[in-house]
Amino acid sequence: NAGVMQNPRHLVRRRGQEARLRCSPMKGHSHVYWYRQLPEEGLKFMVYLQKENIIDESGMPKERFSAEFPKEGPSILRIQQVVRGDSAAYFCASSPSAIFSYNEQFFGPGTRLTVL
Amino acid sequence: GESVGLHLPTLSVQEGDNSIINCAYSNSASDYFIWYKQESGKGPQFIIDIRSNMDKRQGQRVTVLLNKTVKHLSLQIAATQPGDSAVYFCAELWGEGAQKLVFGQGTRLTINP
Repeated sequence: NAGVMQNPRHLVRRRGQEARLRCSPMKGHSHVYWYRQLPEEGLKFMVYLQKENIIDESGMPKERFSAEFPKEGPSILRIQQVVRGDSAAYFCASSPSAIFSYNEQFFGPGTRLTVL
Repeated sequence: GESVGLHLPTLSVQEGDNSIINCAYSNSASDYFIWYKQESGKGPQFIIDIRSNMDKRQGQRVTVLLNKTVKHLSLQIAATQPGDSAVYFCAELWGEGAQKLVFGQGTRLTINP
């Protein structure tokens, strides 16, 4: 059973370009979370999605950032018109359906975005 | 506000010794806590969790202690090994059904041979 998969693992963009980060959750998992990590800091929650629904986007910047988790295919975190401050590691996590109150979130290896 | 903080950013211990990593949290309503291990270039890896109705939980070589009175969490690693070198984060999950993890800054643990 493959774990959470993210691609690309490394992404370099110039200022003003778009960045698309992909996340395939673990098999059987229908909940996806995106986190951002700056160097030497903890992860910061960005958004929580279920299939075709955004449940909590309280950590998403108001502009340039969007996320989706379509019925088919991976979850996508999209950053438009990137700036140098967007350089960070972006982690995706997934969990199974919320049958119980707390579900362990399994993390992917991350995408390291560098904006030149 | 949201904050989960750590007392020490770095910790060095001798191989074979026990290590203790501390964490302070601010939300007295938090009812679920998790410790994660993150190795260089990798995503966080679940180590152990604890519910607020417990004050201690043990795993393999790891123990988590929760002191709700002073809002303090600790991770004890017994007989440390070189493979334990990593950054350790505590995280809290707010409220039943909430799925938002709030992470602390992290403690870098270095195991000296």
